[in-house]
Amino acid sequence: AQSVAQPEDQVNVAEGNPLTVKCTYSVSGNPYLFWYVQYPNRGLQFLLKYITGDNLVKGSYGFEAEFNKSQTSFHLKKPSALVSDSALYFCAPPNFGNEKLTFGTGTRLTIIP
Amino acid sequence: GAVVSQHPSWVICKSGTSVKIECRSLDFQATTMFWYRQFPKQSLMLMATSNEGSKATYEQGVEKDKFLINHASLTLSTLTVTSAHPEDSSFYICSARISGSYEQYFGPGTRLTVT
Repeated sequence: AQSVAQPEDQVNVAEGNPLTVKCTYSVSGNPYLFWYVQYPNRGLQFLLKYITGDNLVKGSYGFEAEFNKSQTSFHLKKPSALVSDSALYFCAPPNFGNEKLTFGTGTRLTIIP
Repeated sequence: GAVVSQHPSWVICKSGTSVKIECRSLDFQATTMFWYRQFPKQSLMLMATSNEGSKATYEQGVEKDKFLINHASLTLSTLTVTSAHPEDSSFYICSARISGSYEQYFGPGTRLTVT
């Protein structure tokens, strides 16, 4: 079974500062991990994924995520936050066999001008 | 690429009526589409998996007679909320998966309000 935990419901960051949105995972076998972002009243947009290879994955809008096997984490990061990054972020591993996504509870990121 | 559209983007209907929501993959063929429901400030709840040419697979607790899903072609899936009630008011989101990939591409969502 695949599952993820997003320990923070809300993260506030000042504009220009680095941001981190946390995700820890519990998966059997080699994990596939995705990050999605949802802007207000919109569907989800794919940010990045880890399948295999380099632990540092670069994605859309300047985001990156670091896969850490020893800590079972896949935290989303950005060096310098923009106000436009304010949104709801979901960590989601796909389930092998049925292709369903298991969404975390989501983290609301607010960038303060 | 990989664009998914939904129509309508919002709809208001009276209690007891039925509402149909369309989900289309615009630039790719989707053998599998998914329907989600999202309550305010909450995560997405998977309602059902829709496979082209076959019956949808519903998640536990989702009434299949109330939420009718049809996936008649490789680019179109529809969700019909039958005999809608105020508690059906929600944000409904569809997604589509390209065959062979685990990534899902999401539509912009449909906000349903039942009065």
